[in-house]
Amino acid sequence: DAGVIQSPRHEVTEMGQEVTLRCKPISGHDYLFWYRQTMMRGLELLIYFNNNVPIDDSGMPEDRFSAKMPNASFSTLKIQPSEPRDSAVYFCASSLLGATEAFFGQGTRLTVV
Amino acid sequence: TQLLEQSPQFLSIQEGENLTVYCNSSSVFSSLQWYRQEPGEGPVLLVTVVTGGEVKKLKRLTFQFGDARKDSSLHITAAQPGDTGLYLCAGAAKTSYDKVIFGPGTSLSVIP
Repeated sequence: DAGVIQSPRHEVTEMGQEVTLRCKPISGHDYLFWYRQTMMRGLELLIYFNNNVPIDDSGMPEDRFSAKMPNASFSTLKIQPSEPRDSAVYFCASSLLGATEAFFGQGTRLTVV
Repeated sequence: TQLLEQSPQFLSIQEGENLTVYCNSSSVFSSLQWYRQEPGEGPVLLVTVVTGGEVKKLKRLTFQFGDARKDSSLHITAAQPGDTGLYLCAGAAKTSYDKVIFGPGTSLSVIP
């Protein structure tokens, strides 16, 4: 298996624009997690899905953030409109056993100018 | 709210030295994981510890879970430049394996 695949690897966008981050989890994994990593706040859980259903989105910072998982092999995280403070590295992770043994993608480095 | 603290925040050592990094909390965790993250990459799971007092070894890395399951340590023997990276601990609450919280990490630099 190729592991968790995220795209794009890097995204630079202007404030106010819509940004969509994509994730393909490892085949057969029931859990999918979206994390955000910054120097100030470290690695934070934004939302996670179990069997394609959103279970906990309490980490989503604002209504500008939304996430979907239309099927077992694809998820998106959308920010609309984007703001400079959204600049961070966004990771997608998947697992069989909840969050305790997660496999992370390489991340998307988002810069909002 | 459960919090994990890690120390030291930064560590720079010479190749061949030994080191220990710590992960502490006032909360009890059902399990604790250690990850290593290299620049530009996602975290990679190194180990999971579950039982209080448990010790696991992975080549030159030794992981220990505290007896009370509130803390953990990672000891590296004879560090090598390839050990350079951010070491993150993550704890799962007693009531759920669905979520973990991550510590802020220890950034290790091993100088050749």
